[in-house]
Amino acid sequence: DQQVKQNSPSLSVQEGRISILNCDYTNSMFDYFLWYKKYPAEGPTFLISISSIKDKNEDGRFTVFLNKSAKHLSLHIVPSQPGDSAVYFCAASGNQFYFGTGTSLTVIP
Amino acid sequence: DTAVSQTPKYLVTQMGNDKSIKCEQNLGHDTMYWYKQDSKKFLKIMFSYNNKELIINETVPNRFSPKSPDKAHLNLHINSLELGDSAVYFCASSPVGVGVAEAFFGQGTRLTVV
Repeated sequence: DQQVKQNSPSLSVQEGRISILNCDYTNSMFDYFLWYKKYPAEGPTFLISISSIKDKNEDGRFTVFLNKSAKHLSLHIVPSQPGDSAVYFCAASGNQFYFGTGTSLTVIP
Repeated sequence: DTAVSQTPKYLVTQMGNDKSIKCEQNLGHDTMYWYKQDSKKFLKIMFSYNNKELIINETVPNRFSPKSPDKAHLNLHINSLELGDSAVYFCASSPVGVGVAEAFFGQGTRLTVV
């Protein structure tokens, strides 16, 4: 059973626009959430995180929003750049890290 | 200076062989992990070690055996390789057990069993 889900396998966005990547989870005990970025033939790289006591965390062009009642989090990238093209994994922290299946973002120049 | 390094990056081998993947982290982290990314791109944990002690052992075949000689190393041995073992294997580490810190990943080892 998959406790973290990313229902959109891919997303295309024009350069300069906002990219919104979504993630849903099922376990209300999760208290820490992370986003990772992965380029081909490389390992996932940590991007941004949020604790369950917050509903928003911002780092430069990247903002993560958490809606605990809906068990939903999202990653906003604005403005999107071609270098942001990668696979983005959402993860939740319980007794281990639980990962979603990833969303492949393509930023079109 | 790579934080989490695993070798080899690519491994092609025949069914029935025994192979090892090595992982080392120079971050001083206490916890290390092995993840498997299958054909559906799902990252699933296999093992977790904290200070050389096995913490998590998910349902993986006994043919997979992790070995942690010290807290900076977590190697993965696979016996009697099968076609279904073909996947990308990622090693990772984190400062403490899973909690409020991120995990750092190695570059991955693409294992192909033919």
